[in-house]
Amino acid sequence: EAQVTQNPRYLITVTGKKLTVTCSQNMNHEYMSWYRQDPGLGLRQIYYSMNVEVTDKGDVPEGYKVSRKEKRNFPLILESPSPNQTSLYFCASSCSGDTWNEQFFGPGTRLTVL
Amino acid sequence: SQQGEEDPQALSIQEGENATMNCSYKTSINNLQWYRQNSGRGLVHLILIRSNEREKHSGRLRVTLDTSKKSSSLLITASRAADTASYFCATEGGSYIPTFGRGTSLIVHP
Repeated sequence: EAQVTQNPRYLITVTGKKLTVTCSQNMNHEYMSWYRQDPGLGLRQIYYSMNVEVTDKGDVPEGYKVSRKEKRNFPLILESPSPNQTSLYFCASSCSGDTWNEQFFGPGTRLTVL
Repeated sequence: SQQGEEDPQALSIQEGENATMNCSYKTSINNLQWYRQNSGRGLVHLILIRSNEREKHSGRLRVTLDTSKKSSSLLITASRAADTASYFCATEGGSYIPTFGRGTSLIVHP
């Protein structure tokens, strides 16, 4: 089954404790991205990757890191989480092309930073 | 980055009625996409309309795009209780950084 998986689905942590949220897709997609969703603000893109070893900042990259060492995986790293990073996070992937295409979303990771 | 804004923020209708929601954006786009999100879940792609298209259909969904007014509409015909969800438009203008609106919350009463 074609899908995007994220782990963990739920995470409660404390300020400053480094964490990684994993994302994996099995559709051989070149393009992957991370979003956060906050009430009243919609989805905002954190980082995206056009292919292996190619990453770039989205709208709200501060406080986050990503890596793309393999095509299927795109982990999101919070080196020193803070309470304002409490949010619902989504990973997404799509085929690359001459334009932005249909995105396939993961189920989400609900992060609480105390 | 440009921003899509959905209108209305919330919509409550009876099963069988049509639901129309609108999206406005600010700058030129390559394409506009509509997504559905059931409560707390990931977004599901519904339809993509390119900037050179004016109307597109998919099952009970009809999407229009008016680039002169920088607006799009999503029509769901003969709505069902299962259509209850939030609906988002997303625009992208060549930067690969899409902008999602805040969404329209649709409730369809059986």
